[in-house]
Amino acid sequence: EAGVAQSPRYKIIEKRQSVAFWCNPISGHATLYWYQQILGQGPKLLIQFQNNGVVDDSQLPKDRFSAERLKGVDSTLKIQPAKLEDSAVYLCASSLSSRGLGGYTFGSGTRLTVV
Amino acid sequence: GQQVMQIPQYQHVQEGEDFTTYCNSSTTLSNIQWYKQRPGGHPVFLIQLVKSGEVKKQKRLTFQFGEAKKNSSLHITATQTTDVGTYFCADNNNDMRFGAGTRLTVKP
Repeated sequence: EAGVAQSPRYKIIEKRQSVAFWCNPISGHATLYWYQQILGQGPKLLIQFQNNGVVDDSQLPKDRFSAERLKGVDSTLKIQPAKLEDSAVYLCASSLSSRGLGGYTFGSGTRLTVV
Repeated sequence: GQQVMQIPQYQHVQEGEDFTTYCNSSTTLSNIQWYKQRPGGHPVFLIQLVKSGEVKKQKRLTFQFGEAKKNSSLHITATQTTDVGTYFCADNNNDMRFGAGTRLTVKP
């Protein structure tokens, strides 16, 4: 079974620039999540999709972050404009269950550095 | 939102020693999941606990869910260098909220 695919693996941008991350979940997993993990901290949920609908985006900084999952499969997360404090690893995860029962499968993440 | 608190933040052990990390919540948890993240890696699902007082074992790892479903623990017997990493608990009440993790280092 293929895992959760994410790209790019690394990205360095200057503050105020924009950046986009891509995620392709495990085939058949209807639920997709984006997490932000700042160095030394636990992952923080940004947004949860069920198919192509948003279930929870309460912690997404909507003034600069946006995410979509138009066809209910792969997803993109965008930051515009980026700030220094956005430097983190952005993790995508998927689960078979709509409530994550049975665990999440995470991708390898995109490490973003904002300079 | 509700957070799960993990202690300790760091633990350094000699290879062969035991290790325990604790996860505590001020409110009742519906279920709790444990993940391991190797240095430079991504979180990997270990186990899910659902029932009050539940105990599950995976080789040298023992997971417990408290009777009141407000706390959980992960115990590793006779640590090995391959156990190095950060162990996270995650509260799956409404969305998956992770604790800050316990970083384990093992001295050979």
